[in-house]
Amino acid sequence: NAGVTQTPKFQVLKTGQSMTLQCAQDMNHEYMSWYRQDPGMGLRLIHYSVGAGITDQGEVPNGYNVSRSTTEDFPLRLLSAAPSQTSVYFCASSYSGGEMETQYFGPGTRLLVL
Amino acid sequence: AQKITQTQPGMFVQEKEAVTLDCTYDTSDQSYGLFWYKQPSSGEMIFLIYQGSYDEQNATEGRYSLNFQKARKSANLVISASQLGDSAMYFCAMREGNFGNEKLTFGTGTRLTIIP
Repeated sequence: NAGVTQTPKFQVLKTGQSMTLQCAQDMNHEYMSWYRQDPGMGLRLIHYSVGAGITDQGEVPNGYNVSRSTTEDFPLRLLSAAPSQTSVYFCASSYSGGEMETQYFGPGTRLLVL
Repeated sequence: AQKITQTQPGMFVQEKEAVTLDCTYDTSDQSYGLFWYKQPSSGEMIFLIYQGSYDEQNATEGRYSLNFQKARKSANLVISASQLGDSAMYFCAMREGNFGNEKLTFGTGTRLTIIP
């Protein structure tokens, strides 16, 4: 199993550009999430999904869109990038079967918005 | 109010000593779960240990144990016999409610440095 994969690993954008961060998992997990990590602030939840076709907002959703058309994929879209979106983005997935099921994290995407 | 508080931004510990990383949490839910993750300099998030709110015994996983004091709302991570490879950022996280590990709340982390 590849686990959770994210592409690209690193991206530089100009203010106003759009892009999609890709996330895929091959563990048949129902739950998937996007977090951003900023220095001194830990990880903050952007959006999450409990299954195909179902998404919801987390703590910091503004400026981001998501969709979940398949169990495997959960892309994160930045419609008009801003410097405040410079961050490291982590995708995570987990099984819904039990309370102690941990989230499995992807390797992260480092995004720089100029 | 912060739901997860980690008050130690950084710690330096001599190799082979035990180390305790502090975590306090705030929730009104009766059912919740607490997680610890390790993030080495390479950046990946590694799950270490889990404690459920109804678990009567402290969780243990190898050299890691969780000192769970429910009345004080604390869930400190204890690493015994520290090793150089333990140098990393450590994050405490919480799930509120019975299920829903798709939305964890994280603390700001503690950077642990092990000194040879």
